[in-house]
Amino acid sequence: QKEVEQDPGPLSVPEGAIVSLNCTYSNSAFQYFMWYRQYSRKGPELLMYTYSSGNKEDGRFTAQVDKSSKYISLFIRDSQPSDSATYLCAWAGGTSYGKLTFGQGTILTVHP
Amino acid sequence: NAGVMQNPRHLVRRRGQEARLRCSPMKGHSHVYWYRQLPEEGLKFMVYLQKENIIDESGMPKERFSAEFPKEGPSILRIQQVVRGDSAAYFCASSSSGTAYEQYFGPGTRLTVT
Repeated sequence: QKEVEQDPGPLSVPEGAIVSLNCTYSNSAFQYFMWYRQYSRKGPELLMYTYSSGNKEDGRFTAQVDKSSKYISLFIRDSQPSDSATYLCAWAGGTSYGKLTFGQGTILTVHP
Repeated sequence: NAGVMQNPRHLVRRRGQEARLRCSPMKGHSHVYWYRQLPEEGLKFMVYLQKENIIDESGMPKERFSAEFPKEGPSILRIQQVVRGDSAAYFCASSSSGTAYEQYFGPGTRLTVT
Protein backbone atom coordinates (compact mmCIF):
# COMPACT_ATOMS: atom_id res chain seq x y z
CA GLN A 1 0.00 0.00 0.00
CA LYS A 2 1.32 3.42 -0.95
CA GLU A 3 1.86 5.82 1.92
CA VAL A 4 -0.06 8.50 0.04
CA GLU A 5 -2.83 8.09 -2.53
CA GLN A 6 -3.88 10.97 -4.73
CA ASP A 7 -6.11 10.80 -7.78
CA PRO A 8 -3.99 12.13 -10.67
CA GLY A 9 -7.03 13.36 -12.61
CA PRO A 10 -6.95 15.20 -14.87
CA LEU A 11 -9.71 17.35 -13.46
CA SER A 12 -11.35 19.95 -15.70
CA VAL A 13 -13.81 22.53 -14.36
CA PRO A 14 -15.38 25.75 -15.60
CA GLU A 15 -14.26 29.08 -14.23
CA GLY A 16 -16.04 29.95 -10.99
CA ALA A 17 -16.55 26.32 -9.92
CA ILE A 18 -15.67 24.95 -6.49
CA VAL A 19 -12.83 22.46 -6.80
CA SER A 20 -12.28 19.60 -4.38
CA LEU A 21 -8.90 17.83 -4.30
CA ASN A 22 -8.31 14.84 -2.03
CA CYS A 23 -5.60 12.62 -0.63
CA THR A 24 -5.52 9.64 1.67
CA TYR A 25 -2.58 8.37 3.66
CA SER A 26 -1.73 5.25 5.60
CA ASN A 27 1.03 6.31 8.01
CA SER A 28 -0.38 7.31 11.38
CA ALA A 29 2.91 9.03 12.23
CA PHE A 30 2.16 11.85 9.81
CA GLN A 31 1.42 14.99 11.76
CA TYR A 32 1.78 17.96 9.40
CA PHE A 33 -0.16 18.24 6.17
CA MET A 34 0.71 20.48 3.26
CA TRP A 35 -0.70 21.46 -0.10
CA TYR A 36 1.57 22.64 -2.88
CA ARG A 37 0.77 24.04 -6.33
CA GLN A 38 3.14 23.36 -9.20
CA TYR A 39 2.91 25.06 -12.56
CA SER A 40 4.41 23.31 -15.54
CA ARG A 41 8.21 23.22 -15.37
CA LYS A 42 8.28 25.29 -12.17
CA GLY A 43 9.07 24.52 -8.57
CA PRO A 44 6.28 23.60 -6.10
CA GLU A 45 4.74 26.54 -4.29
CA LEU A 46 3.53 26.07 -0.72
CA LEU A 47 -0.15 26.98 -0.48
CA MET A 48 -1.07 25.89 3.02
CA TYR A 49 -0.01 23.69 5.88
CA THR A 50 -1.90 22.49 8.89
CA TYR A 51 -1.29 20.35 11.94
CA SER A 52 -4.57 19.42 13.46
CA SER A 53 -7.84 17.98 12.25
CA GLY A 54 -10.39 20.51 11.08
CA ASN A 55 -10.42 23.31 8.56
CA LYS A 56 -7.94 26.06 7.74
CA GLU A 57 -8.88 28.85 5.40
CA ASP A 58 -6.70 31.23 3.38
CA GLY A 59 -8.50 33.38 0.84
CA ARG A 60 -10.15 31.15 -1.74
CA PHE A 61 -8.42 28.05 -0.37
CA THR A 62 -9.61 25.81 2.46
CA ALA A 63 -7.64 22.82 3.72
CA GLN A 64 -9.51 20.12 5.60
CA VAL A 65 -7.91 17.35 7.65
CA ASP A 66 -9.60 14.27 9.07
CA LYS A 67 -6.97 12.35 11.01
CA SER A 68 -9.38 9.63 12.09
CA SER A 69 -10.05 8.76 8.44
CA LYS A 70 -6.51 9.65 7.28
CA TYR A 71 -7.99 11.92 4.66
CA ILE A 72 -7.16 15.48 3.62
CA SER A 73 -8.83 17.81 1.16
CA LEU A 74 -8.20 21.14 -0.51
CA PHE A 75 -11.14 23.23 -1.66
CA ILE A 76 -10.73 26.08 -4.12
CA ARG A 77 -13.62 28.52 -4.33
CA ASP A 78 -14.37 30.69 -7.35
CA SER A 79 -11.73 28.88 -9.38
CA GLN A 80 -9.80 30.89 -11.98
CA PRO A 81 -7.91 29.88 -15.12
CA SER A 82 -4.74 30.89 -13.26
CA ASP A 83 -5.44 28.03 -10.82
CA SER A 84 -4.69 25.56 -13.61
CA ALA A 85 -1.73 23.58 -12.29
CA THR A 86 -0.79 20.34 -10.58
CA TYR A 87 -1.73 20.18 -6.91
CA LEU A 88 0.39 18.09 -4.59
CA CYS A 89 -0.50 16.95 -1.12
CA ALA A 90 2.34 16.24 1.28
CA TRP A 91 2.94 14.97 4.79
CA ALA A 92 5.62 15.31 7.41
CA GLY A 93 6.06 13.39 10.62
CA GLY A 94 7.45 10.24 12.10
CA THR A 95 11.18 10.27 12.62
CA SER A 96 11.86 13.40 10.59
CA TYR A 97 9.69 16.43 10.02
CA GLY A 98 12.07 17.43 7.27
CA LYS A 99 11.22 14.49 5.07
CA LEU A 100 8.09 15.34 3.13
CA THR A 101 6.13 12.52 1.52
CA PHE A 102 4.24 13.67 -1.56
CA GLY A 103 1.22 12.40 -3.41
CA GLN A 104 1.39 11.91 -7.17
CA GLY A 105 -0.37 15.20 -7.82
CA THR A 106 -3.72 16.08 -9.39
CA ILE A 107 -3.70 17.97 -12.68
CA LEU A 108 -6.34 20.71 -12.63
CA THR A 109 -7.54 22.74 -15.59
CA VAL A 110 -9.94 25.64 -15.12
CA HIS A 111 -11.37 26.71 -18.45
CA PRO A 112 -12.88 30.16 -19.08
CA ASN B 1 15.23 37.90 -4.85
CA ALA B 2 14.92 36.40 -1.38
CA GLY B 3 13.68 33.02 -2.61
CA VAL B 4 15.50 29.72 -2.97
CA MET B 5 17.98 29.85 -5.82
CA GLN B 6 19.20 26.93 -7.87
CA ASN B 7 21.72 26.77 -10.63
CA PRO B 8 22.14 25.80 -13.27
CA ARG B 9 18.50 25.67 -14.36
CA HIS B 10 19.33 23.21 -17.12
CA LEU B 11 22.25 20.83 -17.21
CA VAL B 12 23.21 18.38 -19.94
CA ARG B 13 25.74 15.67 -19.21
CA ARG B 14 26.95 12.66 -21.13
CA ARG B 15 26.86 9.24 -19.52
CA GLY B 16 29.77 8.82 -17.16
CA GLN B 17 30.28 12.53 -16.44
CA GLU B 18 29.69 14.27 -13.13
CA ALA B 19 26.82 16.61 -12.39
CA ARG B 20 26.95 19.30 -9.72
CA LEU B 21 23.76 21.05 -8.70
CA ARG B 22 23.80 24.11 -6.46
CA CYS B 23 21.25 25.51 -4.08
CA SER B 24 21.22 28.71 -2.04
CA PRO B 25 18.50 28.70 0.63
CA MET B 26 16.04 31.47 1.29
CA LYS B 27 17.43 34.29 3.42
CA GLY B 28 17.20 33.37 7.08
CA HIS B 29 16.84 29.63 6.42
CA SER B 30 19.42 27.20 7.71
CA HIS B 31 17.96 23.87 6.56
CA VAL B 32 18.15 22.53 3.02
CA TYR B 33 16.38 19.59 1.38
CA TRP B 34 16.83 17.93 -1.99
CA TYR B 35 14.06 16.18 -3.91
CA ARG B 36 13.96 14.44 -7.27
CA GLN B 37 11.05 14.42 -9.69
CA LEU B 38 11.27 11.78 -12.37
CA PRO B 39 9.08 12.01 -15.47
CA GLU B 40 5.51 10.90 -14.67
CA GLU B 41 6.43 10.40 -11.01
CA GLY B 42 5.96 12.42 -7.88
CA LEU B 43 8.50 14.29 -5.83
CA LYS B 44 10.77 12.00 -3.85
CA PHE B 45 12.80 13.06 -0.85
CA MET B 46 16.54 12.57 -1.14
CA VAL B 47 18.38 14.30 1.70
CA TYR B 48 18.03 16.83 4.54
CA LEU B 49 21.00 18.98 5.53
CA GLN B 50 21.99 21.65 7.96
CA LYS B 51 25.23 23.57 7.79
CA GLU B 52 28.08 21.01 7.80
CA ASN B 53 25.72 18.24 8.85
CA ILE B 54 23.57 15.62 7.14
CA ILE B 55 20.37 15.12 9.14
CA ASP B 56 18.56 12.52 7.03
CA GLU B 57 19.84 10.85 3.87
CA SER B 58 17.35 8.01 3.79
CA GLY B 59 16.27 8.89 0.23
CA MET B 60 19.72 9.08 -1.32
CA PRO B 61 20.78 6.29 -3.68
CA LYS B 62 23.58 4.29 -2.08
CA GLU B 63 26.07 4.91 -4.85
CA ARG B 64 27.18 7.87 -6.98
CA PHE B 65 25.09 10.47 -5.10
CA SER B 66 26.36 12.80 -2.39
CA ALA B 67 25.28 16.08 -0.86
CA GLU B 68 26.86 18.74 1.30
CA PHE B 69 25.99 22.07 2.84
CA PRO B 70 29.26 23.74 3.84
CA LYS B 71 29.68 26.46 6.40
CA GLU B 72 30.11 28.97 3.59
CA GLY B 73 28.47 28.80 0.20
CA PRO B 74 25.60 26.91 -1.35
CA SER B 75 24.48 23.35 -0.86
CA ILE B 76 25.78 20.98 -3.52
CA LEU B 77 24.16 17.80 -4.83
CA ARG B 78 26.76 15.77 -6.67
CA ILE B 79 26.05 12.89 -9.02
CA GLN B 80 29.05 10.94 -10.21
CA GLN B 81 29.15 8.84 -13.37
CA VAL B 82 25.68 9.85 -14.45
CA VAL B 83 23.42 7.39 -16.24
CA ARG B 84 20.33 8.03 -18.36
CA GLY B 85 18.09 7.09 -15.44
CA ASP B 86 19.40 10.13 -13.55
CA SER B 87 17.62 12.45 -16.00
CA ALA B 88 15.07 14.28 -13.87
CA ALA B 89 14.17 17.58 -12.26
CA TYR B 90 16.04 18.13 -9.01
CA PHE B 91 14.48 20.52 -6.55
CA CYS B 92 15.98 22.14 -3.54
CA ALA B 93 13.87 23.44 -0.66
CA SER B 94 14.72 25.35 2.49
CA SER B 95 13.17 26.02 5.85
CA SER B 96 13.95 27.78 9.10
CA SER B 97 15.26 25.72 12.00
CA GLY B 98 12.01 25.39 13.93
CA THR B 99 9.67 24.51 11.08
CA ALA B 100 11.23 21.77 9.00
CA TYR B 101 7.84 20.83 7.54
CA GLU B 102 7.33 24.34 6.11
CA GLN B 103 9.53 24.05 3.05
CA TYR B 104 9.90 26.52 0.23
CA PHE B 105 11.12 25.24 -3.09
CA GLY B 106 13.45 26.59 -5.71
CA PRO B 107 12.81 26.53 -9.47
CA GLY B 108 14.70 23.28 -9.94
CA THR B 109 17.55 22.02 -12.09
CA ARG B 110 16.59 19.88 -15.05
CA LEU B 111 19.28 17.31 -15.68
CA THR B 112 19.43 15.57 -19.02
CA VAL B 113 21.85 12.70 -19.51
CA THR B 114 22.65 11.88 -23.12
